[in-house]
Amino acid sequence: DTGVSQDPRHKITKRGQNVTFRCDPISEHNRLYWYRQTLGQGPEFLTYFQNEAQLEKSRLLSDRFSAERPKGSFSTLEIQRTEQGDSAMYLCASSLDDSHEEQYFGPGTRLTVT
Amino acid sequence: KQEVTQIPAALSVPEGENLVLNCSFTDSAIYNLQWFRQDPGKGLTSLLLIQSSQREQTSGRLNASLDKSSGRSTLYIAASQPGDSATYLCAVMDSSYKLIFGSGTRLLVRP
Repeated sequence: DTGVSQDPRHKITKRGQNVTFRCDPISEHNRLYWYRQTLGQGPEFLTYFQNEAQLEKSRLLSDRFSAERPKGSFSTLEIQRTEQGDSAMYLCASSLDDSHEEQYFGPGTRLTVT
Repeated sequence: KQEVTQIPAALSVPEGENLVLNCSFTDSAIYNLQWFRQDPGKGLTSLLLIQSSQREQTSGRLNASLDKSSGRSTLYIAASQPGDSATYLCAVMDSSYKLIFGSGTRLLVRP
């Protein structure tokens, strides 16, 4: 499968714990995006990378959130001291370059904070 | 601030009907518009992408139109089938290449 992959697909954690999600984009895609989707809503932008550089962060990305893409390939999204409000689907997408390219989405990681 | 609205929020139709889903956006300065399909608990599948210079795109039974000046797009589904049941999301790409999504239209096609 050469699409965008995300791991894990589901994560249940207790409030206050740290969690880390991984996204592997389509090979040779330079841009990588993270979005968050809550029930009944459309996805909301969190942050994106051009190769290893993080170019923009949403105000939704509080200090407890950090994202990395160390070698310009896969990316990780870490949430520290999780809160119940962090429960959502976290979606990763990639696109080929910085033109107006189509974004391809992964299956998402569903986070439940109890 | 770009806002994307989708109407209706939910739609139930009998199999075989043609239907139209609507999407509107407040800022016409977009690079492209994408329509996605999302099945429950799943990720997004891209259906159609319309560049800002284009008026429409077609794929099989799907046709999407774009009127950038009026801030509107429609997704037309011909001869609907139960397998078309899903949530359909509209998204516009802004000047910093991120997608701004609507809340979606939940479609149910009854056999």
